[in-house]
Amino acid sequence: GAGVSQSPSNKVTEKGKDVELRCDPISGHTALYWYRQRLGQGLEFLIYFQGNSAPDKSGLPSDRFSAERTGESVSTLTIQRTQQEDSAVYLCASSKGRKNTGELFFGEGSRLTVL
Amino acid sequence: AQRVTQPEKLLSVFKGAPVELKCNYSYSGSPELFWYVQYSRQRLQLLLRHISRESIKGFTADLNKGETSFHLKKPFAQEEDSAMYYCALKSNTGKLIFGQGTTLQVKP
Repeated sequence: GAGVSQSPSNKVTEKGKDVELRCDPISGHTALYWYRQRLGQGLEFLIYFQGNSAPDKSGLPSDRFSAERTGESVSTLTIQRTQQEDSAVYLCASSKGRKNTGELFFGEGSRLTVL
Repeated sequence: AQRVTQPEKLLSVFKGAPVELKCNYSYSGSPELFWYVQYSRQRLQLLLRHISRESIKGFTADLNKGETSFHLKKPFAQEEDSAMYYCALKSNTGKLIFGQGTTLQVKP
């Protein structure tokens, strides 16, 4: 599979639990992005990595949200003490090269439901 | 503030009719703008970017700096154009800022 891979595809959790969402970018892509899409709304930027550093994490909504990336590979988005308003589809995207051309390759998303 | 606005949540047209999906932006400096599309049960993907001045699947978009707009147009809509369309702006930190999206419904 050459595309961006995300897991799990679906996650149902109880309020207050922690969740981890994983993203495997396309091999060789140096940049990795996390977005959130709540029902009926647009894509909300969360954080972006260039390599394993995060030049822009301005979109993380609270300190319950964190993300890390290993080298130019896998990234994990962690949400601690989940709340119902965290329910959304979490999209990961990657792009190649250090200069962002604007062409992002998206995964299929992880749908999170917090009960 | 850097922002993208897509004023229409839903646009419904008949097959063969012209289509214009509106996008307005707020950005100081020279913007880089894009249109992304998500067909049913597919991933979000790049449709076109303004710097390429390309036409993809019959769609074009012209950057109008005076009106701060980047509307997506197609002269004759096809049923397979039915999808969700997002306008996006590259910010000064490199991330893409997306609009709320417009669902295009092309009726037979």
